[in-house]
Parts: sequence; structure tokens; C-alpha cells
Amino acid sequence: EVQLVESGGGLVKPGGSLRLSCAASGFTFSSYSMNWVRQAPGKGLEWVSSISSSSSYIYYADSVKGRFTISRDNAKNSLYLQMNSLRAEDTAVYYCARDAGVGATPYWYFDLWGRGTLVTVSS
Amino acid sequence: QSALTQPASVSGSPGQSITISCTGTSSDVGGYNYVSWYQQHPGKAPKLMIYEVSNRPSGVPDRFSGSKSGNTASLTISGLQAEDEADYYCSSYTSSSTNVVFGGGTKLTVL
Repeated sequence: EVQLVESGGGLVKPGGSLRLSCAASGFTFSSYSMNWVRQAPGKGLEWVSSISSSSSYIYYADSVKGRFTISRDNAKNSLYLQMNSLRAEDTAVYYCARDAGVGATPYWYFDLWGRGTLVTVSS
Repeated sequence: QSALTQPASVSGSPGQSITISCTGTSSDVGGYNYVSWYQQHPGKAPKLMIYEVSNRPSGVPDRFSGSKSGNTASLTISGLQAEDEADYYCSSYTSSSTNVVFGGGTKLTVL
């Protein structure tokens, strides 16, 4: 089955760190750019970060630049998001999402999503 | 404040048609044909419904269609069905450092 499964969310204090993981299965993970998209409670979607298929290109939203680090391990079919210096406004469900384009060039729309993992930043 | 502007809510009766607008700028919607639309039911992950302005992924009913004029994209759902009730988000590639922008979302109510 083609799917993405996120893990690693939880409750963390402001200033703390958390590492999210996304396990991919059912498709050739190494062929696709991957993304993290988040959704604060009751709010809309916000793109967070993107990484190309071979990790050559990495992009971040201004809101997380310098605090979050995206990475991937194609041998393990896994995507990661290291989140440091967390703030209350980072509280959200974090989705792992596959870019629809195959190869190095992203299409910037997402055809496969995981179910998300909730990150709560609170003291 | 979201980069793309959508109406907060729309409604329609079963069998009717509705259109959701998505307004951006020449740096995003108006400048590229990378507009996409997502459907999200409560507590569920978003689902891609339209990509590259007007294309439907396999499995999406042809009741869903997309278009664009200038800086405004539109999603039209014809023959409304109860299961269409959901939140809808537009998205676009942008030439800004953000790369991808979303609309604030539109809640569709099927009366």
C-alpha cells in the first residue's frame, strides 16, 4: 500500500526540541521530493519545508528558517524534521507530503499525505 | 493572514453547483500554472483534487473542475453531493522565498 506514516509528535516546552519522522512505503521514495506541511488547531495549511529527492535542494518557510532542519534517508525510506527552539506558534499537526513530480524538480503540489502527528508547544 | 484569499464559507444544495475563488498576485496564481486544490474532511489529511489549474488526479470525480483568470483561480463543484462537505484549500507555487502558499481555506456546507 502506498502510504506515509508520521511519528514523533508530542508535548514539548517552549525552547525545546523534537524530531519528527515519516516512514514511506509502497513507492520509490528516492525518486520524489518530500515536504512537511503543518496545520495549527482550527487553522489553515502552512508549508514548512521541502527536500529534493537526493537532498541536493532544501527549502524552508521563513517562519522556521534557522530553527528547523529537514533531512531524509533514502535507504530507510524515511523523512525527518528536526525542530529546535520551539515556540507556542509551532503548535500544529505536522503532515508529511509527497511532491507530485518524479525526479529532481519539484512540482510544488502534493499528491500523497500522511495522517499527521500533533506537536504541542506549551509550558 | 494567508497569502491567497479564499471566501471563508460557501454553501449549496445537493445537485447544485458552487464555485470557490482563490485570489493571489502575479507572483503566484497569476504568474504560474501551478495552482492546486485540496479537500480536507474533519480530522483527515488533505487530498489533492486539482493540480496545475485544471487537471484531476485519477479517482477524482469529473464533478470537480478548476480554472484560472488573471490572479484568481476557481474550483467548481457541480452536482453537489453530501460527501463534498469539507474544507477546501487552494495552493500555488510562488516566486517568493516561501515557494508554496496556501489559501486560508473555504468551508463548504451542503444544505
